[in-house]
Amino acid sequence: GDSVTQMEGPVTLSEEAFLTINCTYTATGYPSLFWYVQYPGEGLQLLLKATKADDKGSNKGFEATYRKETTSFHLEKGSVQVSDSAVYFCALSDRGSTLGRLYFGRGTQLTVWP
Amino acid sequence: DAGVIQSPRHEVTEMGQEVTLRCKPISGHDYLFWYRQTMMRGLELLIYFNNNVPIDDSGMPEDRFSAKMPNASFSTLKIQPSEPRDSAVYFCASSLVASQGDTQYFGPGTRLTVL
Repeated sequence: GDSVTQMEGPVTLSEEAFLTINCTYTATGYPSLFWYVQYPGEGLQLLLKATKADDKGSNKGFEATYRKETTSFHLEKGSVQVSDSAVYFCALSDRGSTLGRLYFGRGTQLTVWP
Repeated sequence: DAGVIQSPRHEVTEMGQEVTLRCKPISGHDYLFWYRQTMMRGLELLIYFNNNVPIDDSGMPEDRFSAKMPNASFSTLKIQPSEPRDSAVYFCASSLVASQGDTQYFGPGTRLTVL
């Protein structure tokens, strides 16, 4: 079945450090891939997405490239800020029998210190 | 657009009481999802609807949980009777698959505490 595995947290970084959060997936079809972010006390919100292989999603300095050969969608940012402290979720959708549904990873807590 | 609206934002109740959580999806969206988030289990999909019809309720924990969507602009998640292990944050989300793909828009959540 469809599933997402992302790196265990928590991740703690100093401001301006480089961030990578790993995400790999298993899917029966040709999924779209997503990164969602959850700030404290809020719901999840879309950070970026990619709908086909080799696409790169980007937003707010974050990037992720859809790698079909390695079934991965790692999240990166070159220089994190304190305001990036949040929980990050990798997710996939597989437009088969589960059209509309997203499969989420467990989430990775990121804390950035000044 | 006001986004997905959930009420109440916080609910504290005693074990055995009935709890009703409410959700108003974004106007025009055709999918609605109910999730539960806890530290132990992470984010779990409970049930989702397409055009007001339940598609998959396999995530509903047990018969104490029920969800309805009487019209396109309103859904409820009911727990009766509630138990302390139901304490969690419950999120509602909606999407418009036909034109926007599978991006889901989440509400702010309802934090439920069952004493």
